[in-house]
Amino acid sequence: DIQMTQSPSTLSASVGDRVIITCRASQSINSWLAWYQQKPGKGPKLLIQKATSLQSGVPSRFSGSGSGTEFTLTISSLQPEDFATYHCQQYRSSLPTFGGGTKVEMK
Amino acid sequence: EVQLVESGGGLVQPGGSLRLSCSASGFTFNNYAMIWVRQAPGKGLEWVSAISGSGDGAYYTDSVKGRLTISRDSSKNTLYLQMNSLGADDTAVYYCAKSDCGDIGCKLVDSWGQGTLVTVSS
Repeated sequence: DIQMTQSPSTLSASVGDRVIITCRASQSINSWLAWYQQKPGKGPKLLIQKATSLQSGVPSRFSGSGSGTEFTLTISSLQPEDFATYHCQQYRSSLPTFGGGTKVEMK
Repeated sequence: EVQLVESGGGLVQPGGSLRLSCSASGFTFNNYAMIWVRQAPGKGLEWVSAISGSGDGAYYTDSVKGRLTISRDSSKNTLYLQMNSLGADDTAVYYCAKSDCGDIGCKLVDSWGQGTLVTVSS
């Protein structure tokens, strides 16, 4: 199985901050990586697919980069509605796997 | 708008059974593979099972093979997960999810339900 490692597991930030979350794959997944946002009591929401492609309706302050084994999700200016947990997922292998999640909390 | 609504979760004793359902709307159900993903308390998301849009192909993660069965009813736009021989490790929130295409190999999830909690305990 491909292991996905996210860091940090928790991130304290303030409104307006630039936030960067990292996801590392145990082997190359090319660009087959998605990012999801999850709020308490809700299912995840797809933000980015193919490592860099923003889903329709997702604010442009969100961006993804990377390929191979190293990926990042950047929020350019954190907004109040962005406090949530973020998950990465590889979908290259027959068994898709997720990172452990990064909780973005208020500083 | 895609809507996925899970039901059927609850408390079950070890060794027991449960059937989860997911009612789907807002898209052509037969055209998309459907997935169950779970999240144990304090843990990350885990891909459990998937079924092709036509229902003729299914996938299971190793830990649930032989115990969980995924199925779908196109006449009711409903996805199911029959869960047998449940153990404490199966305790989790179970999410119904929609893939972005119809083949069993479609593994990008573009819509999720809100989840239903399954607790396995005596």
